[in-house]
Amino acid sequence: KQEVTQIPAALSVPEGENLVLNCSFTDSAIYNLQWFRQDPGKGLTSLLLIQSSQREQTSGRLNASLDKSSGRSTLYIAASQPGDSATYLCASRKDSSYKLIFGSGTRLLVRP
Amino acid sequence: ETGVTQTPRHLVMGMTNKKSLKCEQHLGHNAMYWYKQSAKKPLELMFVYSLEERVENNSVPSRFSPECPNSSHLFLHLHTLQPEDSALYLCASSLQVGLSYEQYFGPGTRLTVT
Repeated sequence: KQEVTQIPAALSVPEGENLVLNCSFTDSAIYNLQWFRQDPGKGLTSLLLIQSSQREQTSGRLNASLDKSSGRSTLYIAASQPGDSATYLCASRKDSSYKLIFGSGTRLLVRP
Repeated sequence: ETGVTQTPRHLVMGMTNKKSLKCEQHLGHNAMYWYKQSAKKPLELMFVYSLEERVENNSVPSRFSPECPNSSHLFLHLHTLQPEDSALYLCASSLQVGLSYEQYFGPGTRLTVT
């Protein structure tokens, strides 16, 4: 059974700092891995989706990497801003299922 | 309206009440999903519908009853809930059910059971 873990559960950084959020998964047979952002009380917004054949994806200040062999993905946020404050969720999809398996998320606070 | 919408956004109900959550997607998708997000727990998939047919029922108690009258609308009927059912209920849709199809999420309904 796939399990997805995100560390740390919460992170507080000063504005302008570069930061890394971690996601690990137990079953390396994944089809893709997706990073989402969730603002308080809101739904999920997809940030980046990495296919299993890819090593990384970039969108603006965000860069997500995927290492299937070690069961890890990271989300790198460059030059963080207070508007980046949110909960970041990663979710993996196994190569035999349409189901998304979510981690518990990392709650990020960027202090002005 | 665009994307995936959910109503109501907030709901407080007693354990003996009956209420319904509504989800509507304006994306022309054929698959719709209900998820539950409890405090400090990962999102849990509850139900999946493809072309109005239920294809997944993830061991959800019968006090939750889904309904999909057409591919654009999805309901979650609630009755005799428990306080531990308090959570954020998220609806999502995708073009089809399958590996390649990205899911798009609604804003959620925050449910409190008193």
